[in-house]
Amino acid sequence: EAGVAQSPRYKIIEKRQSVAFWCNPISGHATLYWYQQILGQGPKLLIQFQNNGVVDDSQLPKDRFSAERLKGVDSTLKIQPAKLEDSAVYLCASSLVGGGPSETQYFGPGTRLLVL
Amino acid sequence: GESVGLHLPTLSVQEGDNSIINCAYSNSASDYFIWYKQESGKGPQFIIDIRSNMDKRQGQRVTVLLNKTVKHLSLQIAATQPGDSAVYFCAEKVGRALTFGSGTRLQVQP
Repeated sequence: EAGVAQSPRYKIIEKRQSVAFWCNPISGHATLYWYQQILGQGPKLLIQFQNNGVVDDSQLPKDRFSAERLKGVDSTLKIQPAKLEDSAVYLCASSLVGGGPSETQYFGPGTRLLVL
Repeated sequence: GESVGLHLPTLSVQEGDNSIINCAYSNSASDYFIWYKQESGKGPQFIIDIRSNMDKRQGQRVTVLLNKTVKHLSLQIAATQPGDSAVYFCAEKVGRALTFGSGTRLQVQP
């Protein structure tokens, strides 16, 4: 079974530029998550989708971050404009059904973003 | 490879020894507790979880212990191998929300 796919793996941009990340979850997984992992810290949830609807975006900085999952499969996360503090690894994860307490999340390899 | 974290607490063990990684959590309402392993340049990988109404669960070479009285979680790895070298994160789940703790770097010395 193929895992969660993410691209690009690395991205370097200057501050105030825009950037987009792509994620393809495990086939058949209804729930998709985007996390931000700053160096030396655990991942922090940005947004959670179930199919093509947003379940939780309470920690998404909506003035600059946006995400969509239009057809309920793959997803894009965008930052516009980027700030220096956005430098981090952006992880995508998916789970089978509704993301309930017992459901395992499977993570992709992440996109490493460096903002100069 | 990339470094997951530069200033994480580090546990150094000899190959073949047992490892114990500890984690303190804060939310008494957590339903599940999960341990993830993260190697350099990779995303977190599920290791084992435990429901909040249990105090011990065993997997292959790993055991998780939960002490709700002191809000403490531990991961025991038996016969630690070089491939176990990674950063280990505990995470707690309340409903749909998964919250990660700070990580511990495990270094296995040959």
